[in-house]
Amino acid sequence: ETGVTQTPRHLVMGMTNKKSLKCEQHLGHNAMYWYKQSAKKPLELMFVYNFKEQTENNSVPSRFSPECPNSSHLFLHLHTLQPEDSALYLCASSREEGAPPDIQYFGAGTRLSVL
Amino acid sequence: GENVEQHPSTLSVQEGDSAVIKCTYSDSASNYFPWYKQELGKRPQLIIDIRSNVGEKKDQRIAVTLNKTAKHFSLHITETQPEDSAVYFCAASSSYSSASKIIFGSGTRLSIRP
Repeated sequence: ETGVTQTPRHLVMGMTNKKSLKCEQHLGHNAMYWYKQSAKKPLELMFVYNFKEQTENNSVPSRFSPECPNSSHLFLHLHTLQPEDSALYLCASSREEGAPPDIQYFGAGTRLSVL
Repeated sequence: GENVEQHPSTLSVQEGDSAVIKCTYSDSASNYFPWYKQELGKRPQLIIDIRSNVGEKKDQRIAVTLNKTAKHFSLHITETQPEDSAVYFCAASSSYSSASKIIFGSGTRLSIRP
């Protein structure tokens, strides 16, 4: 275990559903990240939070809505998703986003299937 | 922005032989280059990283080299073992004032033949 926990591990949802992914880190880190990993594609950075403030939105559609209530918790709220959004969603954390770049620790991911 | 290209996409080597994975990056300001290993069904985990102030780093059977002039870096695995089978991702990162982000390559699926 890396100290980064994601729930649920698997999620199946319809296109009209609303669901949320949760990430929690017990490492005392201040930066948290959401990545999307599709088959045969690189890890795509979606959002970055540093000290609870969003510092990066990598042109992510508005049907994905992140929330970071504190430095230990990160959520990804999902609504009206499309089948092409089916992927593994990975959360990661690092000590702090900034200089020098630091090691990111990944959670196990949530395997999302949109029907 | 930064773009990282990784080759090959798949690699099969005989157990005991060496494996080399190569990456190139576009942003000359990049100064941190981690390598992650992702076993089937598991999370990516850092295996080695290198910063731009060094040209080579080694950790047992794993080594990484960096050529800043050519903007490419490579992962070398010697005496490969079955447990080395996984997908390997290179990445590049730079820091600008208070912001930094890691850009990943497309991954290399390494298979070790017994």
